[in-house]
Amino acid sequence: TQLLEQSPQFLSIQEGENLTVYCNSSSVFSSLQWYRQEPGEGPVLLVTVVTGGEVKKLKRLTFQFGDARKDSSLHITAAQPGDTGLYLCAGVNTGFQKLVFGTGTRLLVSP
Amino acid sequence: EPEVTQTPSHQVTQMGQEVILRCVPISNHLYFYWYRQILGQKVEFLVSFYNNEISEKSEIFDDQFSVERPDGSNFTLKIRSTKLEDSAMYFCASSEALRGRFGANTGELFFGEGSRLTVL
Repeated sequence: TQLLEQSPQFLSIQEGENLTVYCNSSSVFSSLQWYRQEPGEGPVLLVTVVTGGEVKKLKRLTFQFGDARKDSSLHITAAQPGDTGLYLCAGVNTGFQKLVFGTGTRLLVSP
Repeated sequence: EPEVTQTPSHQVTQMGQEVILRCVPISNHLYFYWYRQILGQKVEFLVSFYNNEISEKSEIFDDQFSVERPDGSNFTLKIRSTKLEDSAMYFCASSEALRGRFGANTGELFFGEGSRLTVL
């Protein structure tokens, strides 16, 4: 069974602070995706990282895929209340039959 | 913008009853999925479907569950005899067939807004 552990589980910060969310596994994934989910809605894709060591930036969000393709991180600079939500990493296994979701990180950014 | 639509948005049923959750995937997508999320817990894979057959299923997807693509547009999840622990948000998703390295599908999964199932 492929498991993706995210840390921290919960994060409550003030507007303007920086934060990093980690996604770790003992399994190798061919690619890794980050989703954000708001209450009552389905997950929405933020980014896909494919190459080990790859770094992608999406405005104030920076995503990194580990060299061994077993882990990833999401860094948010100068967090805003609109960043509040559940952040999910999800790994794509080789041959892709399914997307395995991580345990999730719930972020609350207060004004 | 094309989207995945799910019905019903909320269904309440008695334990032991059959439930059918419906999904209309994005029209040019070839891969279809059902996931579920018990309140406060992680999103769990149930089943993937491609070329009119199940391509993979999880241990959650036992004999009480079945999927069907009856008419080329709808994708349904049936739970034959619901249990209390089936209460969850059920998400349908679809994706294009985009082959990346190692043959993996690195295409984005588009999720519906979910169907909340409450089993009493």
